[in-house]
Amino acid sequence: DAGITQSPRYKITETGRQVTLMCHQTWSHSYMFWYRQDLGHGLRLIYYSAAADITDKGEVPDGYVVSRSKTENFPLTLESATRSQTSVYFCASSGKYYNEQFFGPGTRLTVL
Amino acid sequence: TQLLEQSPQFLSIQEGENLTVYCNSSSVFSSLQWYRQEPGEGPVLLVTVVTGGEVKKLKRLTFQFGDARKDSSLHITAAQPGDTGLYLCAGTGGGADGLTFGKGTHLIIQP
Repeated sequence: DAGITQSPRYKITETGRQVTLMCHQTWSHSYMFWYRQDLGHGLRLIYYSAAADITDKGEVPDGYVVSRSKTENFPLTLESATRSQTSVYFCASSGKYYNEQFFGPGTRLTVL
Repeated sequence: TQLLEQSPQFLSIQEGENLTVYCNSSSVFSSLQWYRQEPGEGPVLLVTVVTGGEVKKLKRLTFQFGDARKDSSLHITAAQPGDTGLYLCAGTGGGADGLTFGKGTHLIIQP
């Protein structure tokens, strides 16, 4: 199906473990984004990518790593998970112009 | 850093009433969007406003962009229970950055 998908939808991990969240879009959008959503903070930008092999930091990038070897995929890795990274993570894509973004269903991550 | 302040944070009203949600900033945005989010799902785009003073209508929802492109409002006429959700405004300041989001307005429409 066309659209943007995220996996897994739910993940529980332990402090110090590496976790990778996957994001895949079928629109061939150039831009892709990762946000986290927390109570009291709303949605905050972690990283974004303007094209394959081009990534840049957002508002809260510490503790996260991204890569984009293919236009359709934009994985987010937590190299050593911490409890403060417990959150709901959303991937989004955009054809840019007015930066209208289309969001995936989210991944709820719990770090114990 | 660009900030967007939304008000009210929470709003619970009866079906059939009208309401307005506000999104304010001290910064100028090149475009501003409104999204609606339901529990367990990602935000869904409702509208984009680009020109200062622009008004857009989506059925019972009316969106306005301020003349100076620093604020926006969402007005719902004759609210229905199906309008219940989290309403988010988000702005773009230009460049390839992601969106700056307000913290949202939790809207509950009671039958």
